[in-house]
Amino acid sequence: DVLMTQTPVSLPVSLGGQVSISCRSSQSLVHSDGNTYLHWYLQKPGQSPQLLIYRVSNRFSGVPDRFSGSGSGTDFTLKISRVEPEDLGVYYCLQSTHFPLTFGSGTKLEIK
Amino acid sequence: EVQLVESGGGLVQPGRSLKLSCAASGFTFSNYYMAWVRQAPKKGLEWVATISTSGSRTYYPDSVKGRFTISRDNAKSSLYLQMNSLKSEDTATYYCASSNWELGDYYVMDAWGQGASVTVSS
Repeated sequence: DVLMTQTPVSLPVSLGGQVSISCRSSQSLVHSDGNTYLHWYLQKPGQSPQLLIYRVSNRFSGVPDRFSGSGSGTDFTLKISRVEPEDLGVYYCLQSTHFPLTFGSGTKLEIK
Repeated sequence: EVQLVESGGGLVQPGRSLKLSCAASGFTFSNYYMAWVRQAPKKGLEWVATISTSGSRTYYPDSVKGRFTISRDNAKSSLYLQMNSLKSEDTATYYCASSNWELGDYYVMDAWGQGASVTVSS
Protein backbone atom coordinates (compact mmCIF):
# COMPACT_ATOMS: atom_id res chain seq x y z
CA ASP A 1 0.00 0.00 0.00
CA VAL A 2 1.12 3.57 -0.64
CA LEU A 3 1.98 5.30 2.62
CA MET A 4 1.07 8.99 2.72
CA THR A 5 3.11 10.97 5.23
CA GLN A 6 1.83 14.39 6.19
CA THR A 7 3.83 16.98 8.08
CA PRO A 8 3.48 18.69 10.37
CA VAL A 9 0.92 16.96 12.54
CA SER A 10 -0.12 20.27 14.11
CA LEU A 11 0.29 23.72 12.62
CA PRO A 12 -0.29 26.82 14.73
CA VAL A 13 -0.99 29.88 12.62
CA SER A 14 -1.87 33.51 13.09
CA LEU A 15 -4.94 34.76 11.29
CA GLY A 16 -3.83 36.44 8.09
CA GLY A 17 -0.67 34.39 7.94
CA GLN A 18 0.55 31.82 5.41
CA VAL A 19 1.21 28.13 5.96
CA SER A 20 2.33 25.07 4.02
CA ILE A 21 1.43 21.43 4.57
CA SER A 22 3.56 18.66 3.14
CA CYS A 23 2.36 15.29 1.88
CA ARG A 24 4.90 12.68 0.78
CA SER A 25 4.07 9.32 -0.75
CA SER A 26 6.07 6.11 -0.42
CA GLN A 27 5.96 5.64 -4.20
CA SER A 28 5.38 7.80 -7.22
CA LEU A 29 1.80 8.98 -7.74
CA VAL A 30 2.23 9.33 -11.49
CA HIS A 31 -0.32 7.00 -13.06
CA SER A 32 0.37 4.97 -16.18
CA ASP A 33 -1.95 7.42 -17.98
CA GLY A 34 0.46 10.24 -17.14
CA ASN A 35 -1.79 11.94 -14.59
CA THR A 36 -1.10 12.39 -10.89
CA TYR A 37 -4.03 11.65 -8.62
CA LEU A 38 -3.28 13.54 -5.43
CA HIS A 39 -6.03 15.48 -3.70
CA TRP A 40 -6.52 17.62 -0.59
CA TYR A 41 -9.43 17.76 1.84
CA LEU A 42 -10.36 19.89 4.84
CA GLN A 43 -12.42 18.52 7.69
CA LYS A 44 -13.76 21.34 9.83
CA PRO A 45 -14.68 20.53 13.45
CA GLY A 46 -17.83 18.43 13.61
CA GLN A 47 -18.22 18.33 9.83
CA SER A 48 -17.68 15.93 6.95
CA PRO A 49 -14.54 16.31 4.83
CA GLN A 50 -14.73 18.73 1.92
CA LEU A 51 -12.68 18.63 -1.27
CA LEU A 52 -10.30 21.55 -1.71
CA ILE A 53 -7.80 20.57 -4.40
CA TYR A 54 -7.94 17.74 -6.93
CA ARG A 55 -5.21 16.31 -9.12
CA VAL A 56 -2.42 18.22 -7.38
CA SER A 57 -3.30 21.80 -8.23
CA ASN A 58 -6.92 22.22 -9.33
CA ARG A 59 -9.15 24.14 -6.96
CA PHE A 60 -12.57 22.58 -6.48
CA SER A 61 -15.69 24.65 -7.11
CA GLY A 62 -16.09 27.44 -4.56
CA VAL A 63 -12.63 27.07 -3.03
CA PRO A 64 -10.97 30.47 -2.65
CA ASP A 65 -7.69 31.20 -4.44
CA ARG A 66 -5.99 31.49 -1.06
CA PHE A 67 -5.60 27.71 -1.39
CA SER A 68 -3.05 26.33 -3.81
CA GLY A 69 -1.58 22.91 -4.42
CA SER A 70 1.68 21.93 -6.03
CA GLY A 71 4.13 19.08 -6.34
CA SER A 72 5.01 16.06 -8.40
CA GLY A 73 6.09 12.45 -8.11
CA THR A 74 6.17 11.78 -4.37
CA ASP A 75 6.31 15.27 -2.89
CA PHE A 76 3.28 17.54 -2.64
CA THR A 77 2.38 20.78 -0.86
CA LEU A 78 -0.80 22.61 0.08
CA LYS A 79 -0.34 26.33 0.70
CA ILE A 80 -2.85 28.53 2.45
CA SER A 81 -2.37 32.28 2.36
CA ARG A 82 -4.18 34.95 4.39
CA VAL A 83 -5.54 32.32 6.80
CA GLU A 84 -9.10 32.97 7.92
CA PRO A 85 -11.01 31.48 10.88
CA GLU A 86 -13.01 29.18 8.58
CA ASP A 87 -9.77 27.53 7.42
CA LEU A 88 -9.24 25.86 10.77
CA GLY A 89 -9.58 22.11 10.98
CA VAL A 90 -7.74 19.00 9.83
CA TYR A 91 -6.27 18.75 6.35
CA TYR A 92 -5.85 15.39 4.62
CA CYS A 93 -4.16 14.38 1.41
CA LEU A 94 -5.51 11.44 -0.59
CA GLN A 95 -3.89 9.45 -3.37
CA SER A 96 -6.08 7.64 -5.89
CA THR A 97 -3.34 6.58 -8.30
CA HIS A 98 -2.91 3.18 -6.69
CA PHE A 99 -5.31 0.77 -4.99
CA PRO A 100 -6.00 0.79 -2.13
CA LEU A 101 -6.73 4.49 -1.97
CA THR A 102 -4.87 5.95 0.99
CA PHE A 103 -5.16 9.13 3.03
CA GLY A 104 -2.49 10.99 4.91
CA SER A 105 -2.82 11.00 8.68
CA GLY A 106 -3.88 14.64 8.78
CA THR A 107 -2.53 18.06 9.72
CA LYS A 108 -4.44 20.10 12.27
CA LEU A 109 -4.46 23.82 11.55
CA GLU A 110 -5.10 25.80 14.71
CA ILE A 111 -4.84 29.34 15.96
CA LYS A 112 -1.51 30.36 17.47
CA GLU B 1 -27.80 20.80 -4.61
CA VAL B 2 -26.05 17.48 -4.08
CA GLN B 3 -27.31 15.63 -1.01
CA LEU B 4 -26.10 12.36 0.42
CA VAL B 5 -27.92 11.02 3.45
CA GLU B 6 -26.68 7.93 5.25
CA SER B 7 -28.82 5.72 7.43
CA GLY B 8 -28.69 2.34 9.13
CA GLY B 9 -25.96 2.93 11.67
CA GLY B 10 -26.15 1.77 15.26
CA LEU B 11 -24.78 -0.54 17.92
CA VAL B 12 -24.03 -4.12 16.85
CA GLN B 13 -22.30 -7.05 18.51
CA PRO B 14 -19.00 -8.41 17.22
CA GLY B 15 -19.52 -11.02 14.52
CA ARG B 16 -22.94 -9.68 13.54
CA SER B 17 -23.99 -7.81 10.39
CA LEU B 18 -25.25 -4.35 9.55
CA LYS B 19 -26.30 -2.67 6.33
CA LEU B 20 -25.82 1.03 5.68
CA SER B 21 -27.79 2.96 3.08
CA CYS B 22 -27.12 6.27 1.38
CA ALA B 23 -29.87 8.20 -0.39
CA ALA B 24 -28.55 10.49 -3.10
CA SER B 25 -30.22 13.49 -4.72
CA GLY B 26 -29.33 16.59 -6.68
CA PHE B 27 -27.25 14.85 -9.34
CA THR B 28 -27.51 12.04 -11.86
CA PHE B 29 -26.61 9.22 -9.51
CA SER B 30 -26.20 6.60 -12.22
CA ASN B 31 -23.39 8.62 -13.84
CA TYR B 32 -21.11 8.64 -10.80
CA TYR B 33 -18.84 6.18 -9.11
CA MET B 34 -19.68 6.07 -5.40
CA ALA B 35 -17.60 5.33 -2.33
CA TRP B 36 -17.67 4.68 1.40
CA VAL B 37 -15.03 6.20 3.67
CA ARG B 38 -14.85 5.68 7.43
CA GLN B 39 -13.35 7.50 10.37
CA ALA B 40 -12.72 5.79 13.69
CA PRO B 41 -13.24 7.96 16.78
CA LYS B 42 -10.58 10.68 16.96
CA LYS B 43 -8.74 9.09 14.03
CA GLY B 44 -8.12 9.85 10.37
CA LEU B 45 -9.94 8.86 7.21
CA GLU B 46 -9.88 5.35 5.75
CA TRP B 47 -11.23 4.40 2.34
CA VAL B 48 -13.60 1.43 2.58
CA ALA B 49 -15.06 0.74 -0.87
CA THR B 50 -15.80 2.13 -4.33
CA ILE B 51 -18.33 0.99 -6.93
CA SER B 52 -18.56 1.78 -10.62
CA THR B 53 -21.56 3.42 -12.24
CA SER B 54 -23.23 0.15 -13.23
CA GLY B 55 -22.11 -1.73 -10.15
CA SER B 56 -20.12 -4.20 -12.20
CA ARG B 57 -16.80 -3.19 -10.62
CA THR B 58 -16.12 -2.91 -6.92
CA TYR B 59 -12.94 -2.14 -5.03
CA TYR B 60 -11.95 -2.71 -1.39
CA PRO B 61 -8.90 -2.50 0.84
CA ASP B 62 -7.73 -5.74 2.43
CA SER B 63 -9.06 -4.62 5.84
CA VAL B 64 -12.68 -5.16 4.71
CA LYS B 65 -12.38 -7.37 1.62
CA GLY B 66 -14.51 -10.49 1.99
CA ARG B 67 -16.53 -8.98 4.85
CA PHE B 68 -18.02 -5.81 3.33
CA THR B 69 -20.00 -5.51 0.10
CA ILE B 70 -20.78 -2.25 -1.65
CA SER B 71 -23.80 -2.15 -3.97
CA ARG B 72 -26.11 0.34 -5.59
CA ASP B 73 -29.61 0.71 -6.98
CA ASN B 74 -29.55 3.34 -9.70
CA ALA B 75 -33.33 3.31 -10.03
CA LYS B 76 -33.55 4.37 -6.39
CA SER B 77 -30.45 6.60 -6.40
CA SER B 78 -29.21 4.62 -3.44
CA LEU B 79 -25.88 3.24 -2.29
CA TYR B 80 -25.43 0.44 0.21
CA LEU B 81 -22.74 -1.11 2.37
CA GLN B 82 -23.37 -4.59 3.72
CA MET B 83 -21.03 -5.23 6.62
CA ASN B 84 -20.62 -8.80 7.86
CA SER B 85 -18.47 -10.38 10.56
CA LEU B 86 -18.07 -7.02 12.22
CA LYS B 87 -15.12 -6.40 14.51
CA SER B 88 -14.51 -3.80 17.19
CA GLU B 89 -12.03 -2.11 14.86
CA ASP B 90 -14.88 -1.42 12.42
CA THR B 91 -16.30 1.08 14.92
CA ALA B 92 -16.38 4.38 13.03
CA THR B 93 -18.44 7.03 11.33
CA TYR B 94 -19.13 5.85 7.79
CA TYR B 95 -19.38 8.48 5.08
CA CYS B 96 -21.03 8.02 1.72
CA ALA B 97 -19.29 10.01 -1.04
CA SER B 98 -19.72 10.63 -4.74
CA SER B 99 -16.78 10.39 -7.10
CA ASN B 100 -16.96 12.96 -9.83
CA TRP B 101 -15.37 11.75 -13.08
CA GLU B 102 -15.75 15.28 -14.44
CA LEU B 103 -12.78 16.18 -12.24
CA GLY B 104 -10.67 13.85 -14.35
CA ASP B 105 -10.60 11.03 -11.81
CA TYR B 106 -13.19 8.33 -11.20
CA TYR B 107 -12.10 7.95 -7.59
CA VAL B 108 -11.75 11.44 -6.08
CA MET B 109 -14.63 11.99 -3.67
CA ASP B 110 -16.17 15.41 -4.15
CA ALA B 111 -19.41 15.35 -2.14
CA TRP B 112 -19.85 13.69 1.24
CA GLY B 113 -22.78 12.81 3.45
CA GLN B 114 -22.98 13.70 7.11
CA GLY B 115 -22.00 10.19 8.18
CA ALA B 116 -23.56 7.23 9.97
CA SER B 117 -22.15 6.03 13.28
CA VAL B 118 -21.42 2.33 13.70
CA THR B 119 -20.37 0.92 17.05
CA VAL B 120 -19.28 -2.69 17.30
CA SER B 121 -19.34 -3.80 20.91
CA SER B 122 -20.72 -6.54 23.11
